[in-house]
Amino acid sequence: DADVTQTPRNRITKTGKRIMLECSQTKGHDRMYWYRQDPGLGLRLIYYSFDVKDINKGEISDGYSVSRQAQAKFSLSLESAIPNQTALYFCATSDYTIPYGYTFGSGTRLTVV
Amino acid sequence: GDSVTQMEGPVTLSEEAFLTINCTYTATGYPSLFWYVQYPGEGLQLLLKATKADDKGSNKGFEATYRKETTSFHLEKGSVQVSDSAVYFCALSDSQFAGGTSYGKLTFGQGTILTVHP
Repeated sequence: DADVTQTPRNRITKTGKRIMLECSQTKGHDRMYWYRQDPGLGLRLIYYSFDVKDINKGEISDGYSVSRQAQAKFSLSLESAIPNQTALYFCATSDYTIPYGYTFGSGTRLTVV
Repeated sequence: GDSVTQMEGPVTLSEEAFLTINCTYTATGYPSLFWYVQYPGEGLQLLLKATKADDKGSNKGFEATYRKETTSFHLEKGSVQVSDSAVYFCALSDSQFAGGTSYGKLTFGQGTILTVHP
């Protein structure tokens, strides 16, 4: 099994719908992150969490919310999806004792029509 | 704020050619620097890293040297293979500390698509 698992792998949804992307990890890392990838823009940070009680906004958090249900689980929600949220979404984990390298999931390709 | 700029792509090379992908950064303090690679349909994988000035990261024939004086971390490989075709991302970690804990956030460049032909 993968260290960081994202579900679903692909999703098509309609404008205005609520959708949740899920991430679970077996690394035992405290820190988890959600990024989105857009062509030509690299990866941009949406939210990050240092533990279950510590959740922080990233640079593009508007329109998104997150939930850290347990150390191993970090979900990203789009409350009312819009077409410009069409992107590839990545979850990542890190351990602060390792110099800031991440372990990434395989990504969720989300299309909002 | 922190930022990373990579050379414009895409880059197309023939097998066994020399590769350079330029990366420059802007950051306060002393960030760590990374190269990640993304193969088609997959997530990002750490390729190499350097945590202080003049460090050289290397892996799978790729190298990059942390140059603080030029704020650069250029990726090089002497002889590329078809299997190196992927998207390459340069990234830096924040070096801000609060209460002794780094935030551990990565800032990524826009990515460079590399295609290697036989």
